[in-house]
Amino acid sequence: AQSVTQPDIHITVSEGASLELRCNYSYGATPYLFWYVQSPGQGLQLLLKYFSGDTLVQGIKGFEAEFKRSQSSFNLRKPSVHWSDAAEYFCAVGATGGFKTIFGAGTRLFVKA
Amino acid sequence: GAVVSQHPSWVICKSGTSVKIECRSLDFQATTMFWYRQFPKQSLMLMATSNEGSKATYEQGVEKDKFLINHASLTLSTLTVTSAHPEDSSFYICSAIQADAKNIQYFGAGTRLSVL
Repeated sequence: AQSVTQPDIHITVSEGASLELRCNYSYGATPYLFWYVQSPGQGLQLLLKYFSGDTLVQGIKGFEAEFKRSQSSFNLRKPSVHWSDAAEYFCAVGATGGFKTIFGAGTRLFVKA
Repeated sequence: GAVVSQHPSWVICKSGTSVKIECRSLDFQATTMFWYRQFPKQSLMLMATSNEGSKATYEQGVEKDKFLINHASLTLSTLTVTSAHPEDSSFYICSAIQADAKNIQYFGAGTRLSVL
């Protein structure tokens, strides 16, 4: 069965520092992988996605993620965090050939000045 | 592109009344829409998958008579919380998928339901 694990419930980084949010998945084949961001009281916005090809994907707002098949990971990174990046981040796995998507528990990012 | 509008954004109702939430894809045709429920500081819980012109598929544990879903057109799905009770208070979010969009879900802004 598909599953997504985000080991960190919350992370605090200083503004300007680099960021890495961890995501591990369980799936029998190569899945579709996503990162979404949710601001308080809002819906989710797609940051980036991986379907196939280059394992390093670029997204919006300066985010990138790297798919590592050997580690079943899809970690999200940003070289320099801005205060506006404070939000909840969800990693998600979608089955190829179907539409159902499984979301991780989320990681809340706090940014300190 | 790919904008999903959800209405209302916030609703307060009395216990025992029904509430309808609308989810519209504004600039694309959504073959599939999803309804999620989100509890405070938790992830999204999929309630049901809605396909245009057919009955919704509910996840285990979700009462279909309680949460009525109608996907009448390729741009509109509605969730009706019938005979709402305080325990139904939550944040409800819809999402929509374009045809051939490979699972990319576009989300509405969510509806905060408070049942008094």
